[in-house]
Amino acid sequence: NAGVTQTPKFRILKIGQSMTLQCAQDMNHNYMYWYRQDPGMGLKLIYYSVGAGITDKGEVPNGYNVSRSTTEDFPLRLELAAPSQTSVYFCASSSRGSVDYGYTFGSGTRLTVV
Amino acid sequence: AQSVTQLGSHVSVSEGALVLLRCNYSSSVPPYLFWYVQYPNQGLQLLLKYTSAATLVKGINGFEAEFKKSETSFHLTKPSAHMSDAAEYFCAVTPGDGNKLVFGAGTILRVKS
Repeated sequence: NAGVTQTPKFRILKIGQSMTLQCAQDMNHNYMYWYRQDPGMGLKLIYYSVGAGITDKGEVPNGYNVSRSTTEDFPLRLELAAPSQTSVYFCASSSRGSVDYGYTFGSGTRLTVV
Repeated sequence: AQSVTQLGSHVSVSEGALVLLRCNYSSSVPPYLFWYVQYPNQGLQLLLKYTSAATLVKGINGFEAEFKKSETSFHLTKPSAHMSDAAEYFCAVTPGDGNKLVFGAGTILRVKS
């Protein structure tokens, strides 16, 4: 019962480098989300997806891209890393009835851009 | 647009004392409200949720919250704090379709022995 799996757990990037944060869920959830967490700011929604092939911007999408080719996977791409993207990134998923079950979160990816 | 405000970024209580974490929401439609807990270096876990059924909601680990429409509040309480309750707590709101949770800034709970 893996739930939501995020890789890597930690990463240090240099300014201008690119990387992909991986997120996979095995619960057959249609809805998937990417949040970033900064101290004292709570979680801010970056992108979300309501099903394979469908993605939409959240509150803070600039500097990021996503794709959703399968129900299971929802990778987050950083093309030109900037220090402002230093954060902890959480992936989450939910069934259509998320009101009943809430979101299932991954354990996070801690990214530092130097 | 929905939003939540958590009053107090840090709360400190003694072990055995009452825990009260405050959350106020703004929503133009009846909201669904959630409390999540985050232990150090972990993801968020659902503590409890309000989905327009009973206004007093009981969650895991002895926590409960009361939805008060007149006060637009959803405060989290626990009668007796335990050391293991030390964590960061997030209040969140969502529209009726259950998507796009909007989180508060979080409250770090410290429990003193």
